[in-house]
Amino acid sequence: EVQLLQSGGGLVQPGGSQRLSCAASGFTFGIYAMSWVRQAPGKGLEWVSAISGNGDYTYYADSVKGRFTISRDNSKDTLYLQMNSLRADDTAVYFCAKKCSFACHRFDPWGQGSLVTVSS
Amino acid sequence: QSVLTQPASVSGSPGQSITISCTGTSSDVGGHDYVSWYQQHPGKAPKLMIYDVTNRPSGVSSRFSGSKSGNTASLTISGLQAEDEADYYCKSFSSNTIYVFGSGTTVTVL
Repeated sequence: EVQLLQSGGGLVQPGGSQRLSCAASGFTFGIYAMSWVRQAPGKGLEWVSAISGNGDYTYYADSVKGRFTISRDNSKDTLYLQMNSLRADDTAVYFCAKKCSFACHRFDPWGQGSLVTVSS
Repeated sequence: QSVLTQPASVSGSPGQSITISCTGTSSDVGGHDYVSWYQQHPGKAPKLMIYDVTNRPSGVSSRFSGSKSGNTASLTISGLQAEDEADYYCKSFSSNTIYVFGSGTTVTVL
């Protein structure tokens, strides 16, 4: 069974940093692109970032570019999101998601979500 | 950020059919056949319901179907059931922003 188990998150002060992790199992992690999506409280989904299977290519939403870094360790089957210079409007539940292979764009499945609260 | 336009809410009685629209531009919905739909129950992670406009993943009920015309994609739920009550989001590949989500639609079963 394909599973994504997230860890990290919690309360962080404005300007602070936080790292999220997403541990994958049930599939060959290194051949699939992965993505992060967030959802502010009571709001809709917002795509945040994506990374290719080998980690060579990364993509970011304008709202996080220059502050967030997506990475992966294929030897550990784990995806990461390093979030720096956090702001109040970064407060959200962050989901990791497995993307299908080359030239397709569906996200399936998703992790359970990690709440990040940016507040003093 | 730019989002695809969805109706805020749609409702229907059990057994009825409902359709949720998702309107974008020629840079996203109209320009690519990479529209997908996700169902989200409160406090849960989203679940893929439709991909590549019309395709249904294994395990998803055949009551869910997708289509597209021009810059607008649609999700139809036929034979509405109580368990279909949830939030639904469309998502499209975008030439400008990689991916863009819809604003979300709350489906209520009356």
